Amino acid sequence: NAGVTQTPKFQVLKTGQSMTLQCAQDMNHEYMSWYRQDPGMGLRLIHYSVGAGITDQGEVPNGYNVSRSTTEDFPLRLLSAAPSQTSVYFCASSLWSGTSGGLAKNIQYFGAGTRLSVL
Amino acid sequence: AQTVTQSQPEMSVQEAETVTLSCTYDTSESDYYLFWYKQPPSRQMILVIRQEAYKQQNATENRFSVNFQKAAKSFSLKISDSQLGDAAMYFCAYRSAGTSGTYKYIFGTGTRLKVLA
Repeated sequence: NAGVTQTPKFQVLKTGQSMTLQCAQDMNHEYMSWYRQDPGMGLRLIHYSVGAGITDQGEVPNGYNVSRSTTEDFPLRLLSAAPSQTSVYFCASSLWSGTSGGLAKNIQYFGAGTRLSVL
Repeated sequence: AQTVTQSQPEMSVQEAETVTLSCTYDTSESDYYLFWYKQPPSRQMILVIRQEAYKQQNATENRFSVNFQKAAKSFSLKISDSQLGDAAMYFCAYRSAGTSGTYKYIFGTGTRLKVLA
């Protein structure tokens, strides 16, 4: 059971380049999300999805796009990378996203992270 | 909007001693979940303990326990018999139960715990 898989682990981009961070989970989780982690700021939510075809913005969505065509995959796209997007990115998923799932179904499982540098 | 505050950027504890990490949150909701995650130098996020807001009993997981004060909106983590492997960044997190239509997890800024041998 692979859990949440993020690729790549490291990436260096030049300003203006585009790229896609991949996230896949094999736990049939409905809820998936992307965070960025910056020193002193904790984890900030970029985008999230409560199921295939449904996405919504988080706290810091500008400069990022997402789509959710399948339950398993939730890629994060940087259309035109900027130095301010240098960060560590985490993808996470949880089993359920509704109102009656209970605690166990709302625990998030995280990928190993992607360290992105934009020069 | 909900917020999570961790007011201690860094804490130190002597090996085998007990340490408490603070977390406060702000919400108008009555049903929600609270979590503590550990992030060691490997960067992997590891769930330490979790609590349902409607449960008055404090959660415990081996050497880890919480002091959940719902009225005060406080959710502190106590680590007993601290070990060198406990050294990490600890994040407090809030998750709405979804009754308001919000499905976001909100994280605090983290507390870096150092364990002294």
